[in-house]
Amino acid sequence: EVQLVQSGAEVKKPGESLKISCKGSGYSFTSYWIGWVRQMPGKGLEWMGIIYPGDSDTRYSPSFQGQVTISADKSISTAYLQWSSLKASDTAMYYCARHWGGIVGPSDIWGQGTMVTVSS
Amino acid sequence: EIVMTQSPATLSVSPGERATLSCRASQSVSSNLAWYQQKPGQAPRLLIYGASTRATGIPARFSGSGSGTEFTLTISSLQSEDFAVYYCQQYNNWPPGVTFGQGTRLEIK
Repeated sequence: EVQLVQSGAEVKKPGESLKISCKGSGYSFTSYWIGWVRQMPGKGLEWMGIIYPGDSDTRYSPSFQGQVTISADKSISTAYLQWSSLKASDTAMYYCARHWGGIVGPSDIWGQGTMVTVSS
Repeated sequence: EIVMTQSPATLSVSPGERATLSCRASQSVSSNLAWYQQKPGQAPRLLIYGASTRATGIPARFSGSGSGTEFTLTISSLQSEDFAVYYCQQYNNWPPGVTFGQGTRLEIK
């Protein structure tokens, strides 16, 4: 079965760092771009950026450039999204999703989401 | 950035009736348009890509149409499980990349 499995929910304080993960299985992880999507509470979907695990080529939405870091470890079929200093406004559900068909393409497989709560 | 605008924000329809959801792009995205369904507490699910091609396992009552800047998702006969939030997404080119519409909530009338 083709799937993306994300790490569990996190509760952090402002200023702390965090790295969440997305592990792919059932397909060639290095052959598809993986994107990250933010969904703030009660809000819509926001595309954050994307990585190609085969060579770690990474692109960011202008809205998220410099705010987060996307990385991948192809040896363990895992992509990551990390923050160096969290803010309360980072509280959201974060999804990883496989891009089908190239760097820009529909997202055919989604992770279950990781809820990040940032509160003092 | 390409801005995607969905209308209406909320659509109230009775089960068994047809629902028509609209999505407009601020500039042409050709047919590089997808539709997603999201139910509470769940990840989005791909319904339509290429503006009109149903994804694997999607029932035939879901259909997409349009190209350029105007797109439509039609659900021909609403089932109880279809009441959800629907998002359109353009993926025309890099840059600027991928953008979503703000969503249409489809609710039971």
